[in-house]
Amino acid sequence: SQTIHQWPATLVQPVGSPLSLECTVEGTSNPNLYWYRQAAGRGLQLLFYSVGIGQISSEVPQNLSASRPQDRQFILSSKKLLLSDSGFYLCAWSIRGLAGGSETQYFGPGTRLLVL
Amino acid sequence: AQSVTQLGSHVSVSEGALVLLRCNYSSSVPPYLFWYVQYPNQGLQLLLKYTSAATLVKGINGFEAEFKKSETSFHLTKPSAHMSDAAEYFCAVSETGANNLFFGTGTRLTVIP
Repeated sequence: SQTIHQWPATLVQPVGSPLSLECTVEGTSNPNLYWYRQAAGRGLQLLFYSVGIGQISSEVPQNLSASRPQDRQFILSSKKLLLSDSGFYLCAWSIRGLAGGSETQYFGPGTRLLVL
Repeated sequence: AQSVTQLGSHVSVSEGALVLLRCNYSSSVPPYLFWYVQYPNQGLQLLLKYTSAATLVKGINGFEAEFKKSETSFHLTKPSAHMSDAAEYFCAVSETGANNLFFGTGTRLTVIP
């Protein structure tokens, strides 16, 4: 069966510090991978998605970047955190879509980031 | 453009009462629709998914949702609420072949003993 891991679970960082959040998927190959942010009291905002190694699509301009160095690894980074980067970050994966389909996304446990 | 509206950011029901969480969508093509549940400090778990095979979709934990094209709705229901149903529920829409899911802002369900 497939599993998705995220770490760390919780992170407190000062403004201006760098960030690296990691997501890995097990039990599947060539997944689509996604990073979402959930701010307090708001829905989920898609930040990045990737359909393959080194292929990253950004949905919103922001202080963050993403990389996919391996097939089942997705990393969310920042060089200098802002207060507004605080939130709950969720990684998700889906099967590489078949033509005409829209595949279910499966979410990891999330990382809660607090920028002070 | 796709979007989802969830009416009511907070819903409270008594244990054993009907649960009704509302979701309306906007899509220019036939959509795929999802309901996810999020328990505190956890990721999202898929409850059910509409893929045009049947308008009434049954999911896990006794939940079901009905796709109504004329009303552009996909409301989530459960006949009898249980204390363990207390969580936040998200409706999401996607289009054929699309990589993205568009989420509503969520509805927090409280179950009163």
